[in-house]
Amino acid sequence: SYELTQPPSLSVSPGQSVSITCSGDKLGQKFVCWYQKRPGQSPVLVIYKDDKRPSGIPERFSGSNSGNTATLTISGTQALDEADYYCQVWDSSHVVFGGGTKLTVL
Amino acid sequence: QVQLQESGPGLVKASQTLSLTCTVSGGSISSANYYWSWIRQSPGKGLEWIGYIYYSGNTYYNSSLKSRVTFSVDPSRNQFSLNLASLTAADTAVYYCAKTGTLDLPYLYFDDWGQGTLVTVSS
Repeated sequence: SYELTQPPSLSVSPGQSVSITCSGDKLGQKFVCWYQKRPGQSPVLVIYKDDKRPSGIPERFSGSNSGNTATLTISGTQALDEADYYCQVWDSSHVVFGGGTKLTVL
Repeated sequence: QVQLQESGPGLVKASQTLSLTCTVSGGSISSANYYWSWIRQSPGKGLEWIGYIYYSGNTYYNSSLKSRVTFSVDPSRNQFSLNLASLTAADTAVYYCAKTGTLDLPYLYFDDWGQGTLVTVSS
C-alpha cells in the first residue's frame, strides 16, 4: 500500500515561515491536499490539488508538489496556526493520509 | 457550505456492531457531485479513511476494514450511516463524516466535515 511520510513535529517562531513536507513514491504524479487539525476540532482543508486554496483560507498557506515531495508552506506563521497538519492523496482506490506533523509556534 | 453531524453511541462493547449516522444539512445527499465518507482518528494517532458512499448507494471501503464495514444512505432523511462489526479496542476513535469536494478520484479531497463523535469500545 502507498505510504506518505511526514516529519512528526516542527517548530517555528511567530512571523517566520515554515515548510511541512510530505514524501511518497512519485508523489509529484499525484494530487495532494492538506488539512489543518487543531485539538478537539475537525480537520480543515487548507490546500487541495497541490496548490489550490479553498475560500476562506489565508494567503499565507501555499502548497507545491514535485518529484517525491509535496510541501505545505506557511508564511508569516501566527500562533493560531499551531496544529497538526496532514497530507492526503488518492492511490489505488484508497484515500491515504500522511502520519501528520505537529506544528508548534513558539 | 454543507453541514454534517454525526450521531450514535459513545460507548459500545467489544465484539458488537457500531452504528453511526451522519445527518446532512444545507445541501442534498442526493447530489450527484459528491461522495460521502467516514474517517476516524484513534487516540494519539493519525487520520484513517474508512470508505465512501455515493447517493446511488455505490460504496468503496478501505481494504483493511472492508470485511467489517457497511455503509448505507437514506435520501429521505438526508442521512448516511456506518456499521462496523466485530469491534475491538483498536476501533476506539473519533469518527468523522465528511463530504468530498469532487468526484474526480485522483483529486479527491474532503471540504466539509462533521464535528466528530468519540466512540469507545469497552471490554
